[in-house]
Amino acid sequence: DAGVTQSPTHLIKTRGQHVTLRCSPISGHKSVSWYQQVLGQGPQFIFQYYEKEERGRGNFPDRFSARQFPNYSSELNVNALLLGDSALYLCASSLARSRAPDTQYFGPGTRLTVL
Amino acid sequence: GQSLEQPSEVTAVEGAIVQINCTYQTSGFYGLSWYQQHDGGAPTFLSYNALDGLEETGRFSSFLSRSDSYGYLLLQELQMKDSASYFCAVKVDTGRRALTFGSGTRLQVQP
Repeated sequence: DAGVTQSPTHLIKTRGQHVTLRCSPISGHKSVSWYQQVLGQGPQFIFQYYEKEERGRGNFPDRFSARQFPNYSSELNVNALLLGDSALYLCASSLARSRAPDTQYFGPGTRLTVL
Repeated sequence: GQSLEQPSEVTAVEGAIVQINCTYQTSGFYGLSWYQQHDGGAPTFLSYNALDGLEETGRFSSFLSRSDSYGYLLLQELQMKDSASYFCAVKVDTGRRALTFGSGTRLQVQP
């Protein structure tokens, strides 16, 4: 079975530009979460979607937005890029069971560099 | 809010045992997870504790004390391939199923 896939793997943008990152969850997983990981830090939660609805949002500005499609894939959009947005963006999918542990399965990430 | 504290670095030799501690402060608590991340790779799930006690999975074990807001990951018979960053993460009972991660412990296994 294929794991979580993300595209693109690497991306270079300049300040002020917009970026769209894509994620396909593991087949059968209905929940997708997005995380930002700055070098040397743990992943920071950005968004969670379940059944196409936003179920949670982390402490990120409105420049960050996301959506989930009927096939459960997801997009993360970031507008007006800042140098500080340079990071590894991770997508994770899960079965979204109400009971623990509801393990998150992470994709390989998209490395975004903002110049 | 939530905060998790873990040591930034740990060094050990092949064949040894190492313990990585994690203390947490959360407004709600649903369980403590551990993830491994090799350089350039994605975090991968190692273990989960919802109740007090020890969970064993092969060479890895994880412990939780809810009353102390404390847990640890125990790695036995260390191998070179265990060199990686290890993150503890909490799932808070807010209806949101995302995780809050610590800043990670970088484990260096030496020959």
